[in-house]
Amino acid sequence: SQQGEEDPQALSIQEGENATMNCSYKTSINNLQWYRQNSGRGLVHLILIRSNEREKHSGRLRVTLDTSKKSSSLLITASRAADTASYFCAISYDMRFGAGTRLTVKP
Amino acid sequence: GAGVSQSPSNKVTEKGKDVELRCDPISGHTALYWYRQSLGQGLEFLIYFQGNSAPDKSGLPSDRFSAERTGGSVSTLTIQRTQQEDSAVYLCASSFRGQGNTGELFFGEGSRLTVL
Repeated sequence: SQQGEEDPQALSIQEGENATMNCSYKTSINNLQWYRQNSGRGLVHLILIRSNEREKHSGRLRVTLDTSKKSSSLLITASRAADTASYFCAISYDMRFGAGTRLTVKP
Repeated sequence: GAGVSQSPSNKVTEKGKDVELRCDPISGHTALYWYRQSLGQGLEFLIYFQGNSAPDKSGLPSDRFSAERTGGSVSTLTIQRTQQEDSAVYLCASSFRGQGNTGELFFGEGSRLTVL
C-alpha cells in the first residue's frame, strides 16, 4: 500500500494570505487527490490531478504535481476564515490518507 | 438518498459489547472504503471492497473487526468485544472505480463510537 504524507502538520496564517501545503509519496500513481475535512466528520473532495497533468486550478485552489519528485502541492489563494480545516492528500489506487495539514486562517 | 449514508451517527456502548456500523453507498459505486479516525488524528484505512473481488482487509487492526458488503451495496462494519481504544469516528466512502483508476471519494458523515 502507499499513502501520501502531508507537510506541514499545521499552518497558521492571516486572512487574505496564501496557504501552501505539500504531499509526498513513494510509488507511481494514476492520480492524486486533495480533500478537506471540517470538524472531524466526512471529507470533501477538492481536486483530482492525473499523473500526466502538471497543474490544475479550481477557483482559489491551485494544485501542482511533480511526478519526478513524487510530490504535489496545494495552494489556496486569498485565504478566508472559512478555509480553516484539515487538508489531506490521497493516492490512487489505495486511497490511503496521511495525517493531514491543519490550516488555521485568522480573521 | 443522493449521498453516502452512515448509521448510527453516534453510538455509546459498554466495553465488551459488540457494535455494528452501517454504510449505504451511492448507488452504482463499485468501490467502498472504511476508515477510522481517532480524535485529532489522520484517517486510518480499515478495509476496501471493489465489486465482486475479495476485499482488501489489510487495515483491520485485529480479528475483533470484520466487515461485509452484501449485494455489492450496503456494508456493515462489526466490532466484537469493544475496547476503549476502539473509540473513534468511523468513516465510510464510496467511489466509481474503473480501469484501474479511483475517482473521487464521497464520504458519509461518519459514525462516532464511544466505548465506556
